[in-house]
Parts: sequence; structure tokens; C-alpha cells
Amino acid sequence: EVVMTQSPVTLSLSPGEGATLSCRASQSVSSNLAWYQQKPGQAPRLLIYGASTRATGFPARFSGSGSGTEFTLTINSLQSEDSAVYYCQQYNDWPITFGQGTRLEIK
Amino acid sequence: EVQLVESGGGLVKPGGSLRLACEGSGFTLSSYSMNWVRQAQGKGLEWVASISSSSNYIYYTDSVKGRFTISRDNVKNSLYLQMNSLRAEDTAVYYCARCSGGTCHRSSGFDPWGQGTLVTVSS
Repeated sequence: EVVMTQSPVTLSLSPGEGATLSCRASQSVSSNLAWYQQKPGQAPRLLIYGASTRATGFPARFSGSGSGTEFTLTINSLQSEDSAVYYCQQYNDWPITFGQGTRLEIK
Repeated sequence: EVQLVESGGGLVKPGGSLRLACEGSGFTLSSYSMNWVRQAQGKGLEWVASISSSSNYIYYTDSVKGRFTISRDNVKNSLYLQMNSLRAEDTAVYYCARCSGGTCHRSSGFDPWGQGTLVTVSS
């Protein structure tokens, strides 16, 4: 099983700052990686797929990069509505696995 | 609007059974592989099972193999999860999610997701 490890566990930043979230795979997943945003009481929403392609509905402030085992989600100019838990997911190998999540708090 | 709506959750005793359903609308479910993903209270996301568009390929996470069965009825645009021999650790919100690229494996993630249905296993 591919183990996905996210860091940090929690991130607390101010509006206007930038955020960098990391996701590491225990073995190469090529670019078969997605990021999801989940707000309290809501279902997850696809944010990034193919490691770097932004899903419909998300602004250009959100960007993804990486391939193989190291991936990054970058959020520029943080806004209050970006407060959420962000999960990475690999869909390169079965079983499909998620990271444990990074909680982003906007002060 | 593309939408998924789950139903069938509830309270069940350990060892009991429950059948979840997920109805799709706004798209042709038969063209997509589908998934169940669960989330225990305050915890992360755990993929449970996937089924290909024509039910030819089915995958489960190890902890539910032999107890859960994923199935689909493309005529009814519906996905199902039959859960038997339920355990306390199966307590979670269960989401259905579409493989956005048609297939799940090496495609483009899960989109959209339903709102979830809560399964509680307790005596």
C-alpha cells in the first residue's frame, strides 16, 4: 500500500499570506495525485488533479506541483474562506490512499 | 447539475447489516467508475471500495473484504454498498464519489462527492 504523509498537520496563517502544504508518497505515484478541500460539515471537493491541474471553481491562487513522491499545494494571498482541511490522494495504485490531512487555519 | 445523493445510513448493532444507496443525477452513471469513501468523526478520509462502469472490476480496502459488497444498477443510475458483519470501527460518514475521468486508476480524482450518510455501529 502507498502511504501518503502530509505536513504540517496544522498551519495557522494570516489573510494575505501564502501557504505551502506538502504531501509525500512512500513510493512513486507519477503524477496521479489529487488534492481535496474539506470544510466543516461538508463533503470534500476536488481541488487539484494530475498533481497540477486545478479543478473547476477554484481560483488561480491555488496551485499544485510535484511528481513521483514529493508534492506541494500552494495557496497564495490567503482568504478567510480558505480555512479547511486539505487532503492529498494517490490514485496510481490500488488501494487508493489518502494522506491524513493538513488543517489550515486563517487567523 | 451533477449530483450524488446517499441514503440508507442509520444505527445498527455490531454484527448487523445495512445497505447504502447513492443515486446520481445530471450525468450518465454507467459511463463512470464509482467509489465509497468513509470518514470517522474527526478523522481523515478512507477509501472503501470502487466499481468500474460495467462492474467488471471491483476493489476493496482490506478491512472490509468479505464483509462489504459494492454494486451498481446503471438503469437506475444508482450505486450500492451492502455492509454485513458490521463492527464499531465501521462507524463513519459514508460518501459516494465519482471517478471524474471515467475510470479511477491513473485518471483524475474523485468528483463530485455526495453529502454523505452516517452509519453508527453500536449496541
